[in-house]
Amino acid sequence: ETGVTQTPRHLVMGMTNKKSLKCEQHLGHNAMYWYKQSAKKPLELMFVYSLEERVENNSVPSRFSPECPNSSHLFLHLHTLQPEDSALYLCASSQDFAAGRTDTQYFGPGTRLTVL
Amino acid sequence: GENVEQHPSTLSVQEGDSAVIKCTYSDSASNYFPWYKQELGKRPQLIIDIRSNVGEKKDQRIAVTLNKTAKHFSLHITETQPEDSAVYFCAAKQGADGLTFGKGTHLIIQP
Repeated sequence: ETGVTQTPRHLVMGMTNKKSLKCEQHLGHNAMYWYKQSAKKPLELMFVYSLEERVENNSVPSRFSPECPNSSHLFLHLHTLQPEDSALYLCASSQDFAAGRTDTQYFGPGTRLTVL
Repeated sequence: GENVEQHPSTLSVQEGDSAVIKCTYSDSASNYFPWYKQELGKRPQLIIDIRSNVGEKKDQRIAVTLNKTAKHFSLHITETQPEDSAVYFCAAKQGADGLTFGKGTHLIIQP
């Protein structure tokens, strides 16, 4: 349960605020992901970082800005969000493209974001 | 891009009976298919996965089958118990991509 951690667990922000979500993995993985989980919608992939380089962003609005300073840390910077951005934001990590590749993604507990 | 369809959206079964959840995918290049269980207020947890070079995999009461030709895969839970109640998500992955998830199935185990 502590392999992937996320902070904060809950966040309430106004539409003009700037905030950041943090994810840290202690599993020695080389790939990290951001997903958005809204009510009545499937988990949506937002960003993929493999070996600290972004490989996919799925046309996510520019008000979401990811940062991956090293293989253990992943951030999601938030700016000028809309109420419809309120959701659970989940981070995940996996070990990809190496000997013993499993593809298994381990999720963090998520940050429950509310945009007022 | 990949598209994953999952059915049913809600499944209610009597305790002790079997439950089957089905998913289809669109991208024939997808080669990894995990199933996640998410209890209310908790993170998704991997329960079983299968790769495209295998047709079936079993782990105690849980099994997954994959039909590459038809591009569908299924989760089978036998001898269901109350603690199996949760939302189950199927997913598909190809190469360096992230996971594409189905919409989820709310499994309810009736006592």
